[in-house]
Amino acid sequence: KNEVEQSPQNLTAQEGEFITINCSYSVGISALHWLQQHPGGGIVSLFMLSSGKKKHGRLIATINIQEKHSSLHITASHPRDSAVYICAVLSNYQLIWGAGTKLIIKP
Amino acid sequence: EADIYQTPRYLVIGTGKKITLECSQTMGHDKMYWYQQDPGMELHLIHYSYGVNSTEKGDLSSESTVSRIRTEHFPLTLESARPSHTSQYLCASSPHAPNTGELFFGEGSRLTVL
Repeated sequence: KNEVEQSPQNLTAQEGEFITINCSYSVGISALHWLQQHPGGGIVSLFMLSSGKKKHGRLIATINIQEKHSSLHITASHPRDSAVYICAVLSNYQLIWGAGTKLIIKP
Repeated sequence: EADIYQTPRYLVIGTGKKITLECSQTMGHDKMYWYQQDPGMELHLIHYSYGVNSTEKGDLSSESTVSRIRTEHFPLTLESARPSHTSQYLCASSPHAPNTGELFFGEGSRLTVL
């Protein structure tokens, strides 16, 4: 079993829908990253959080340390949000990566 | 926008050739990383550096080598490329202590070895 599990693996939705991507982990962590990878391959860091909730534009990330779970939400989704969203946890100074969630937003 | 650059973006090369993937950042970051990523799979750390003349192997065994002679430059070299090296290679940097800060990624180098 992977130490970082993301769900769903693939998600297709219509423009405007509210999107939730989940990340569960089984190790003790000091921080969790959410990143976005576009089809061209480049990766952009979205959030780094260790507790509570962070918001940036239409993106919201939450984490529950006790439940070892984090969610990434996208409000009013748009086709340009189509990408792979990756969760990575920092455990003992090492990053452990999830396999990613491929999101497609249709117009 | 992150100031970290990788070249080449795409490379197709024959077996046995020596290749060097370049990675440069202009942010003055001490920490730099090379990740390998196969299509649809998670990233695997293959090399990292915490400063000039400091390099370490990552979690994933790799036949590549790296050097860090200057802060801004972290090239990755394969002495003799093989088809099993076909993958995407992503370079990243961070300003903070090991993996505790935001990561900045390059656009990636997609390598195909025939």
